[in-house]
Amino acid sequence: EDQVTQSPEALRLQEGESSSLNCSYTVSGLRGLFWYRQDPGKGPEFLFTLYSAGEEKEKERLKATLTKKESFLHITAPKPEDSATYLCAHSGYSTLTFGKGTMLLVSP
Amino acid sequence: EAEVAQSPRYKITEKSQAVAFWCDPISGHATLYWYRQILGQGPELLVQFQDESVVDDSQLPKDRFSAERLKGVDSTLKIQPAELGDSAMYLCASSLGLTGQYFGPGTRLTVT
Repeated sequence: EDQVTQSPEALRLQEGESSSLNCSYTVSGLRGLFWYRQDPGKGPEFLFTLYSAGEEKEKERLKATLTKKESFLHITAPKPEDSATYLCAHSGYSTLTFGKGTMLLVSP
Repeated sequence: EAEVAQSPRYKITEKSQAVAFWCDPISGHATLYWYRQILGQGPELLVQFQDESVVDDSQLPKDRFSAERLKGVDSTLKIQPAELGDSAMYLCASSLGLTGQYFGPGTRLTVT
């Protein structure tokens, strides 16, 4: 069965304190690994798609990387406005399977 | 920037009543998805359309849920009768091929 596991469940950082979120997956035939940001009460906002091991993508303070079994979302010098839940999802032969997310809180 | 539209944003209904949600995807996106998200969980797919055809509805509780996309553009998700356990956020998303799915703002359903 396709699975996505995200860790940690919650992460509290001080402003400027860099860290990484983890997404491990088991899937039959990966067609894409997706990262989303979700603010409370809103729909997920698309961040990145990664297709093959070794691929990296960046957007402002965020960088996503992909290996054969994991993806990391690196957050460099976060700001309070980066506080949100970050969701990881993979696309195998069926549609997207989401993890439960990592709730990130960045304190000033 | 094009966005997925959903309405209503919030809905409160009593159990055993019927409720319907509407979604208008990004123009040109042939694939449309309905998800249900319970607080603290990731979205779970209910139904996927390719144009007007259902591609995957394996997780849709068909005894009470129905979905349609008659002209291959906008879509309606219906629940009849609603149950207390249906309280959740209902999300619509659309995509172009294998690119990322773009989500709407969601409809927060509360069943009392």
